[in-house]
Amino acid sequence: EDQVTQSPEALRLQEGESSSLNCSYTVSGLRGLFWYRQDPGKGPEFLFTLYSAGEEKEKERLKATLTKKESFLHITAPKPEDSATYLCAVQAGQGAQKLVFGQGTRLTINP
Amino acid sequence: NAGVTQTPKFQVLKTGQSMTLQCAQDMNHEYMSWYRQDPGMGLRLIHYSVGAGITDQGEVPNGYNVSRSTTEDFPLRLLSAAPSQTSVYFCASSYVGGLYNEQFFGPGTRLTVL
Repeated sequence: EDQVTQSPEALRLQEGESSSLNCSYTVSGLRGLFWYRQDPGKGPEFLFTLYSAGEEKEKERLKATLTKKESFLHITAPKPEDSATYLCAVQAGQGAQKLVFGQGTRLTINP
Repeated sequence: NAGVTQTPKFQVLKTGQSMTLQCAQDMNHEYMSWYRQDPGMGLRLIHYSVGAGITDQGEVPNGYNVSRSTTEDFPLRLLSAAPSQTSVYFCASSYVGGLYNEQFFGPGTRLTVL
């Protein structure tokens, strides 16, 4: 059974304090790993897709990396507006669009 | 483009009542799906569809029905609501296959069953 585990559950940082969020996965035949951002009361918003080990993608202060067992979302010099819940999801199996989500990491950036 | 839209935004039901959550997308996506989000559980897939007339069950399908008569619409029906169905429901859509198959989510429907 495909499983996704995110850590930590919650993270509180000071503005400018860089850190990383972890997403560990166990799947049969990874087709893609997705990162989403979710603000309170809103739907998840797409950030990145990673397809193969060694791949990296960047967007503003965020960088996502992928290995064969886990993905990291690195946040460099965060600002208060980066506060949100970050969700990791995997797509696996042949011909499947289904996503399996982790529980999310709730990130708070204090000014 | 409006993207993925959901109605209603909030709903309160009594146990045993039925209702339909509406979802529509204007991006001509083949794939549509319904998730529920509960505290500490992440998003869990309820039902999904890869095209008009084709639906299948996800991880937690019991108590829910779906149909897909058009590409644009994918309603979720609760046949007899139970308190365990209190949750936030999200609809999502995407292209099938290829590199650009990220799923786009609607704003959600917050459902309370008393």
